[in-house]
Amino acid sequence: KQEVTQIPAALSVPEGENLVLNCSFTDSAIYNLQWFRQDPGKGLTSLLLIQSSQREQTSGRLNASLDKSSGRSTLYIAASQPGDSATYLCAALNSGYSTLTFGKGTMLLVSP
Amino acid sequence: ETGVTQSPTHLIKTRGQQVTLRCSSQSGHNTVSWYQQALGQGPQFIFQYYREEENGRGNFPPRFSGLQFPNYSSELNVNALELDDSALYLCASSLGLAGPKETQYFGPGTRLLVL
Repeated sequence: KQEVTQIPAALSVPEGENLVLNCSFTDSAIYNLQWFRQDPGKGLTSLLLIQSSQREQTSGRLNASLDKSSGRSTLYIAASQPGDSATYLCAALNSGYSTLTFGKGTMLLVSP
Repeated sequence: ETGVTQSPTHLIKTRGQQVTLRCSSQSGHNTVSWYQQALGQGPQFIFQYYREEENGRGNFPPRFSGLQFPNYSSELNVNALELDDSALYLCASSLGLAGPKETQYFGPGTRLLVL
């Protein structure tokens, strides 16, 4: 059974800092790994999707990496801004039934 | 905007009642997955429908049931509501590619409160 863990559970940084969010998964038989953003009380916004054959994906100030052999993914946010404050979730798309297994998320607060 | 819509946006029920949540998938998508997100937790997979057939189920009791219609929209039904059913219910639609390029597109969710 796939298990996804995210560390840290919460993170508070001043504006302008670069930061790294960590995600680990137990079963490497995944199709892809996806990072989402969730604002309080809202649904999920997809940020980046890394296919199982890829090592990383970039979008603007965001860079996500994937290491299937070690069961790890990281989300790097450059030059953080107060608008980046949200909960960040990673999810592994499991092979077979193509279901997503989510971590519990990292709650990020960026202070002005 | 993903093109996936859900209704209603919010709902309040009492214990023992039944509820139906609805999801309209993105145009061209034949697969719908439902997830439950309790407060402070990540979403948990409930079940998935592919071309009107259940195509996988998570660790949820039988009082959670679903349907997918010929137009690929979907319903989630929950009978005999319990307090712990209070959560955000998310649906996601996809092309059903079953491979590395498979992407699930999420709706805004329905927030259910059971009193």
